[in-house]
Amino acid sequence: ETGVTQTPRHLVMGMTNKKSLKCEQHLGHNAMYWYKQSAKKPLELMFVYNFKEQTENNSVPSRFSPECPNSSHLFLHLHTLQPEDSALYLCASSQGGDGYTFGSGTRLTVV
Amino acid sequence: AQKITQTQPGMFVQEKEAVTLDCTYDTSDPSYGLFWYKQPSSGEMIFLIYQGSYDQQNATEGRYSLNFQKARKSANLVISASQLGDSAMYFCAMREGHRPWGGADGLTFGKGTHLIIQP
Repeated sequence: ETGVTQTPRHLVMGMTNKKSLKCEQHLGHNAMYWYKQSAKKPLELMFVYNFKEQTENNSVPSRFSPECPNSSHLFLHLHTLQPEDSALYLCASSQGGDGYTFGSGTRLTVV
Repeated sequence: AQKITQTQPGMFVQEKEAVTLDCTYDTSDPSYGLFWYKQPSSGEMIFLIYQGSYDQQNATEGRYSLNFQKARKSANLVISASQLGDSAMYFCAMREGHRPWGGADGLTFGKGTHLIIQP
């Protein structure tokens, strides 16, 4: 596989559920990112990881918990979400400030 | 203040015509990069073209070119000879600062332009 792969593509969860989103990159990049894309809003940067260390958290609620076990894998653990958290969650990777590559996203619906 | 402004929420264009999508940006950093992405209904963000702040010439990639006007802080995307498959959302994005190899900076995105190509 090449590029950035996200699973699952679609997810429906209740507000009391716990689920995880997975992202994997096969590009040898050092940095990985989580973005949230809500309807009619620009993409919002959520978290930045560099060599598996978190370097940026843009005031994201604690019900979103990222994990980066190595430079190739990134997870977003979800618990007690709200309906307004329904969105497309995009993962990206880059090599420094170049080569930003995005996955196809996970479309999340919270019911 | 918005860092990336895309003033065209939607555009309808006839097939084979050229299209210009507007993007203005705001930064005080002398070193930055500007990106354009295409997002079809499937959701993935497809990289189209990149322009660095120190690049002397406008970037080109096949049918895509970037009209970079640094003094006006403008980075418009031009698509020549539009095709039906060009129908999608288009996003302008910026990376501020210059990270050496091994750094990490997120991109700041505009709200996007929904382009529809009509036959």
